[in-house]
Order: sequence, then C-alpha cells, then structure tokens
Amino acid sequence: DAGVTQSPTHLIKTRGQQVTLRCSPKSGHDTVSWYQQALGQGPQFIFQYYEEEERQRGNFPDRFSGHQFPNYSSELNVNALLLGDSALYLCASSPRGRGAETQYFGPGTRLLVL
Amino acid sequence: EDQVTQSPEALRLQEGESSSLNCSYTVSGLRGLFWYRQDPGKGPEFLFTLYSAGEEKEKERLKATLTKKESFLHITAPKPEDSATYLCAVSRGGANSKLTFGKGITLSVRP
Repeated sequence: DAGVTQSPTHLIKTRGQQVTLRCSPKSGHDTVSWYQQALGQGPQFIFQYYEEEERQRGNFPDRFSGHQFPNYSSELNVNALLLGDSALYLCASSPRGRGAETQYFGPGTRLLVL
Repeated sequence: EDQVTQSPEALRLQEGESSSLNCSYTVSGLRGLFWYRQDPGKGPEFLFTLYSAGEEKEKERLKATLTKKESFLHITAPKPEDSATYLCAVSRGGANSKLTFGKGITLSVRP
C-alpha cells in the first residue's frame, strides 16, 4: 500500500520565480492538506482540498494557490517567491468517513529560495 | 485561536531512562489530539490519535495519554533509535479539520 508521495524531493529557485509542488494521496484517501514547515518549527497549515475545491485556508497570502484533480492528487503553486518561502513543504492526506480526522504525511519537498 | 505548547524543547536521555513529553493545548471543541514522530529532513510519521480525556494508547515503548488540558507521551526504556522530534497537534474536526502543531520536542537517546 503506497503512502503519500511528493515530488520533487528538493528544489532550488531564485526570488521572484514561481514553483509547483505535487502530491499523490494515500490509496483510498480523498482529502489533501498542505503545510509549510520552517526549520525548528512545527508545520503550519496552508490549505486543504476536498472534492476539487479549497475547503479551508490558513494565514498565507494569495501567492500560495492550489488545485486538486479528479484522481485526488494535488498541486501547490507559489508565485513571486521570497527568501522566506524557503521551507519543507508537506502534503498530508486523510480518508472519508471513519478516521477522517487523522492525516498522513508525505516525505516533503525541500524548497530553497536564493 | 487554537494553541499547542510542547515542553521541554529538547530532552537528552540515557538508553533505558524512561521519561515523559508534555503537550498543553487550548482548542474550542477538540476533535482529536495527534502525536507524530519526525526524523531530520523527513515527513511526520503518525503515532497516535486520542479523542477524549482519559483515553490511552500504546505502541511498543510509547504510551500516549490525554486530559482536558494536556497530553503526555511516555517513553519507557528508550533506545537510541527512538531519537527524533516528537510533534503534538490538535484538530477541531469536520469542515475545520486543519491540524495546529506545537514546535516539537527533540529527543536524543544516548547508548
């Protein structure tokens, strides 16, 4: 049973560029959440997708946007990158129904903005 | 606003020396409290979900407990492979199901 997968594993960009990160949820899961984790901090919630719509959003600017596809996979897009966007970006998935509150995380994408 | 505070920030134990990690929380309408383990550069690995005060769950050397204001992760006779950062998070559930995390506790177990 494949867990949550993310690509790429690492990424280096320069200020002002745009980036797209990808996530495939665990088999049987239909809800995808994205988190940003700075060094030495806990993950911070960015947004959550369910049935291809953004269901909930954290305190992140509009430069952060996302999408969910019919197969439940998801993308996180960040425009006009800032140095402060350097972080580990985590995708988490959860199932419908019983156990829906528990989120399972992927390995993350390490983004470095120079 | 939901808040999660973990203490201590870091803990160094000798192999076999049992201890507890604390997670204090403030949330309106707790749906679940979650413990995760995170190794350096990796994603968080799910350990436990606790739903109501008085609930306890165990897995190998780990035992998680929950009260109305805090949760403890007890580590019995730890081994060096238990070294990691342990994260605590809370959720309200339903349409507001985001996880709010603490900063984590970095555990180091010396052989």
